[in-house]
Amino acid sequence: DAKTTQPPSMDCAEGRAANLPCNHSTISGNEYVYWYRQIHSQGPQYIIHGLKNNETNEMASLIITEDRKSSTLILPHATLRDTAVYYCIVSLHSGYALNFGKGTSLLVTP
Amino acid sequence: KAGVTQTPRYLIKTRGQQVTLSCSPISGHRSVSWYQQTPGQGLQFLFEYFSETQRNKGNFPGRFSGRQFSNSRSEMNVSTLELGDSALYLCASSLAMRLAGPTSYEQYFGPGTRLTVT
Repeated sequence: DAKTTQPPSMDCAEGRAANLPCNHSTISGNEYVYWYRQIHSQGPQYIIHGLKNNETNEMASLIITEDRKSSTLILPHATLRDTAVYYCIVSLHSGYALNFGKGTSLLVTP
Repeated sequence: KAGVTQTPRYLIKTRGQQVTLSCSPISGHRSVSWYQQTPGQGLQFLFEYFSETQRNKGNFPGRFSGRQFSNSRSEMNVSTLELGDSALYLCASSLAMRLAGPTSYEQYFGPGTRLTVT
């Protein structure tokens, strides 16, 4: 599976959009981009995934560049409860063997 | 629909002992994966089971083993516990149904079992 690079930490003001970047320059054609988050002391939570097109669900939007070498997770209106570690994962075998890496620690402030 | 459940939630064991952790997946999910999370190493994949067969295994010693039952429930066992085995053990389930084109399915994680080895 392709390796990802994320900033170790980010801050965001409550109510503003949080844009979390991820680089995955070695992604192959049939690998998906997945985003999970882990709130302190809880199990990771699935957020969204995509292959080529941008995706949106009730939690977030995923923007994937045309060359698929990077992506951005957007939380449109961040709340304090969005404070968590966010993991960008590129995986072919997405049902198992996820490589979580270090993730980005997002702090949403009042 | 009930989520992934793991038992016990907390466990304290002594070095040299063995431990068995249990995971009940979401109803209808056939794939169960196990992960170990420590402050130093982060989240690391242990193994995955699908229809009672281990499909993939991470880079862990043979002291770590698992199995899956016909109802998709899974157990993992750690023998001859070491201090370094102290960790949060997470179980995740997924549908593991192949869609048209490349496989794509998300995992749903349980709350984990916090194991402390003294």
